Amino acid sequence: NAGVMQNPRHLVRRRGQEARLRCSPMKGHSHVYWYRQLPEEGLKFMVYLQKENIIDESGMPKERFSAEFPKEGPSILRIQQVVRGDSAAYFCASSPRLSNEQFFGPGTRLTVL
Amino acid sequence: AQTVTQSQPEMSVQEAETVTLSCTYDTSESDYYLFWYKQPPSRQMILVIRQEAYKQQNATENRFSVNFQKAAKSFSLKISDSQLGDAAMYFCAYRGFGNEKLTFGTGTRLTIIP
Repeated sequence: NAGVMQNPRHLVRRRGQEARLRCSPMKGHSHVYWYRQLPEEGLKFMVYLQKENIIDESGMPKERFSAEFPKEGPSILRIQQVVRGDSAAYFCASSPRLSNEQFFGPGTRLTVL
Repeated sequence: AQTVTQSQPEMSVQEAETVTLSCTYDTSESDYYLFWYKQPPSRQMILVIRQEAYKQQNATENRFSVNFQKAAKSFSLKISDSQLGDAAMYFCAYRGFGNEKLTFGTGTRLTIIP
């Protein structure tokens, strides 16, 4: 069973461009979580999704950030009009239903020039 | 809101020795889960050990064990017989019962001295 997959692993964008980060959960996992890690800090929760539903987006910035987890295909974290402060590592995790463990992907490192 | 505090930004230990990493948390909930994650230079987050708050017995996974003090809201990680491969950032994390999100501490960087 392949682990959580994220791509790209590294993404470079110029200020004002859009960034799309993809996450494929482990097979059989219906819950997806996105976290952001700024340099030298711990991970901060952003959003929790189930298929076609956003369950908790309390950690998402109010503007420019959006997330989806469609019925088919990977979960997408989208950042519009990126700014230098968006530079961070973005981690996706997944879990099966009724589990207290989250399995993390390798992360996407976003650099905004 | 729940908070997790790791007061040791860096720790070091001689290979084969034992080291303890500290973690305290603040919550008003009675049921919750606590975790220790390891993040090596590859940045992959690896679950080391977890503890359910309703269990009085401290969790153990091979060389890793915890000292869970619920009343004191303390959850320390003990690594015995430290190995070079244990060098990493270690994050303590909290998850409320019925709440899906993890709240992480700021991490402790562990260095193993050969």
